[in-house]
Amino acid sequence: DAGVTQSPTHLIKTRGQQVTLRCSPKSGHDTVSWYQQALGQGPQFIFQYYEEEERQRGNFPDRFSGHQFPNYSSELNVNALLLGDSALYLCASSLRFEQYFGPGTRLTVT
Amino acid sequence: AQKVTQAQTEISVVEKEDVTLDCVYETRDTTYYLFWYKQPPSGELVFLIRRNSFDEQNEISGRYSWNFQKSTSSFNFTITASQVVDSAVYFCALSVPLENQFYFGTGTSLTVIP
Repeated sequence: DAGVTQSPTHLIKTRGQQVTLRCSPKSGHDTVSWYQQALGQGPQFIFQYYEEEERQRGNFPDRFSGHQFPNYSSELNVNALLLGDSALYLCASSLRFEQYFGPGTRLTVT
Repeated sequence: AQKVTQAQTEISVVEKEDVTLDCVYETRDTTYYLFWYKQPPSGELVFLIRRNSFDEQNEISGRYSWNFQKSTSSFNFTITASQVVDSAVYFCALSVPLENQFYFGTGTSLTVIP
């Protein structure tokens, strides 16, 4: 049974560019959440998708947007990248009250 | 508002020593869930345990044990006879049913020295 998968593993972008990160949830999970983890910090909640709709959103600007597909996979899009967007982006899939995390995508903005 | 505090930023122990990682949480909800995750250098968060607010029984799993005390809003994690493979960053997290997100502490970096 595959766990949560994310792609790409690493990404380097230039300030002002746009990026798309992808996540496939654990089999049987219908909910996907995205977190940003800056260096030395705990993960911060960006948003959660359920039934292809954004169900809840954390304190992140509109530059951060997402999408969930009918197969429950999800994308995180970040527009107009800033240096401060450099972080590990974690995807978590869940069923009820447990979340399982993917390995993350490390984004570096230069 | 929900909050998780892990006051210990970094801990170093010598192999085979016991170590306790502290976690203090804040919530006004009566129903909530507490979690511990391990994050090795690879970056993936590995689920260790979940407890709900109605179950204060301590739990032991091999060398790992957890002490949940509602009276002090703490959910501490003890590793007995630590091993080098235990070296990682450990996160405590809180979730409440009506909020579809986890609140994480800032993590405790544990280094086990051989």
